Amino acid sequence: DVKVTQSSRYLVKRTGEKVFLECVQDMDHENMFWYRQDPGLGLRLIYFSYDVKMKEKGDIPEGYSVSREKKERFSLILESASTNQTSMYLCASSLFGGAGANVLTFGAGSRLTVL
Amino acid sequence: AQSVTQPDIHITVSEGASLELRCNYSYGATPYLFWYVQSPGQGLQLLLKYFSGDTLVQGIKGFEAEFKRSQSSFNLRKPSVHWSDAAEYFCAVGPGSGGGADGLTFGKGTHLIIQP
Repeated sequence: DVKVTQSSRYLVKRTGEKVFLECVQDMDHENMFWYRQDPGLGLRLIYFSYDVKMKEKGDIPEGYSVSREKKERFSLILESASTNQTSMYLCASSLFGGAGANVLTFGAGSRLTVL
Repeated sequence: AQSVTQPDIHITVSEGASLELRCNYSYGATPYLFWYVQSPGQGLQLLLKYFSGDTLVQGIKGFEAEFKRSQSSFNLRKPSVHWSDAAEYFCAVGPGSGGGADGLTFGKGTHLIIQP
């Protein structure tokens, strides 16, 4: 089975800090995604990447950036954390093309609290 | 733009009773359709998916879903729920065979509560 690992399950940061959320997948998937999950809002796409060093904005990219230096690793970066970025962050991966590109496998999530 | 509506925010069902969770989508062509489940504190797990063909699809944990093109719906069903089914359920739509792989669009979720 594909495994998507988010190294930090729970983080507490202060306003203005730089935050890195790391995600690693072990099945050679080309596509990787970062979603944000908030109660009553469901999942919203922040950024995705379909290749190393490639990135595309999702629906809510403001305040975030990403890095993909290796195929298996996709990092979400909050340059200056704010309280409204307190949320659950979910990483996912999928194959590059065809129907498989739509089948996302998710990590367990990283719950970030910004004080 | 594609969108997904899950009309029920919360649903309470007695253990052993049948379950139906509603999902309606908006998309120009036939999309790919998915149901995911999220247990507390966990990521999302794929229950089932519809790409084409038979409109009744079977998934894991005894769940099934039916694609109805005329109603733009993809409702999830289970004949008899178990206490372990208590979770958050998300319906999602993908761009289908003609679209790119730019992620899924999710509904806002339905929280399922199981009464003993």
